[in-house]
Parts: sequence; C-alpha cells; structure tokens
Amino acid sequence: AQSVTQLGSHVSVSEGALVLLRCNYSSSVPPYLFWYVQYPNQGLQLLLKYTTGATLVKGINGFEAEFKKSETSFHLTKPSAHMSDAAEYFCAQKRAGNAGNMLTFGGGTRLMVKP
Amino acid sequence: DAGVIQSPRHEVTEMGQEVTLRCKPISGHDYLFWYRQTMMRGLELLIYFNNNVPIDDSGMPEDRFSAKMPNASFSTLKIQPSEPRDSAVYFCASSMTDTGANVLTFGAGSRLTVL
Repeated sequence: AQSVTQLGSHVSVSEGALVLLRCNYSSSVPPYLFWYVQYPNQGLQLLLKYTTGATLVKGINGFEAEFKKSETSFHLTKPSAHMSDAAEYFCAQKRAGNAGNMLTFGGGTRLMVKP
Repeated sequence: DAGVIQSPRHEVTEMGQEVTLRCKPISGHDYLFWYRQTMMRGLELLIYFNNNVPIDDSGMPEDRFSAKMPNASFSTLKIQPSEPRDSAVYFCASSMTDTGANVLTFGAGSRLTVL
C-alpha cells in the first residue's frame, strides 16, 4: 500500500529562519507529488506539485520542494519564514493504478513561526 | 468560479440526530471527494465520485454514513444517527480529469460537533 510520511507533526522556527518540512513517499512507480497548506478554519490549498521534468519545483509564497527519487523524498523548504506561514502543511501523492484522481495524504506538519 | 462551496460551515447537533452536509463542486469538475479531518486520524478519504457515480466508498466508517451525488453540481454526505465520535471537519473537494496532475480544490469545510 502506498503511504506518505511526514516527519515531525510540529515544527517551530523563528521568523526569518529556514523552513524545512520533510516528506517521504512510497511508490513503486514515479509518483505525482503535492504540497498543500491549510490555514486555520480553512480548506487545503495547493502550494506546489511535481509531475515530471525538473525536480526542483517552485510554488506560491516562496516555497519550493525537491523531488529526490533516490531518497523517495519531497521536502518542502522556504529560505526565510514569515509569520503568515504559520499553518498546517500536507504532503500528498497520487495513488498508482486505476484509482482515478485519488491522493494519499501524509499526517500533516503544523508550522509555528516565532517572532 | 466561486470554488467548492460547502454548507453548513458549522453544525452542532445532539447524538442520534440526522446530519446532512452539502457540497457544490467547481463547474466542469468530474471528480468529487469527501474527506474527514480529526486530530487523531488526520485526513481520511471517505468516498469519491466520478461523473456522479460512486467509485470507492471503502473509507465510509459504517452504515450510518451515506453519500449521494444526484447531479454534477451537488453532493450530500448524510450521517444517521449521528454519534459524538463523528465530530470532525468534513471537507469536500473536486478535480477535473487531466493528464494526471490531479489537483484537488477543497472547500472550506463543515465543522460538525455531536453532543
């Protein structure tokens, strides 16, 4: 069964510091990978996605993620955290096979930004 | 487009009562998903539809839960009878068949509290 693992359910950084949120996937074929962000009392919004091609993907709000097949990872980074980045972040992969448009989500990482 | 619209945003009910959550997907999207989010279990896929037809309902917890999609612009998730353990945020999401990038657009969610 496919799974997505996010290391660290809570991450705390200072404003201006590097943000690193970790995601590892399991897939026997090249996956499609996604990062979503959820602000308080809102639904999930797409940050970025990887399908094929360039392994470094840039998203909204200065975030980027790098697909590393050898490490089965898709970590999310941002060089300098802003207070407005405080939210919950979800990594997801598309299920292989004939599962339509289903995504498998990780458990989420809550990012806290300290002033 | 107004995005995925869910109602009600908040629902408080007593155990044993029937609860109906509603969703209007984005026009033109042919996939619709119902997710449940809790602190303990994270994001769980309950059921999804393709062209109004239920494809996979293996995530529906038990017979108390049912979902319908009578047309391309409307879906309901019903819980009857409701129990306190059903308290959660229920998200509806929709997407469009494409080459595989499977971007889900989420609604703002319906927060259900069963007393």
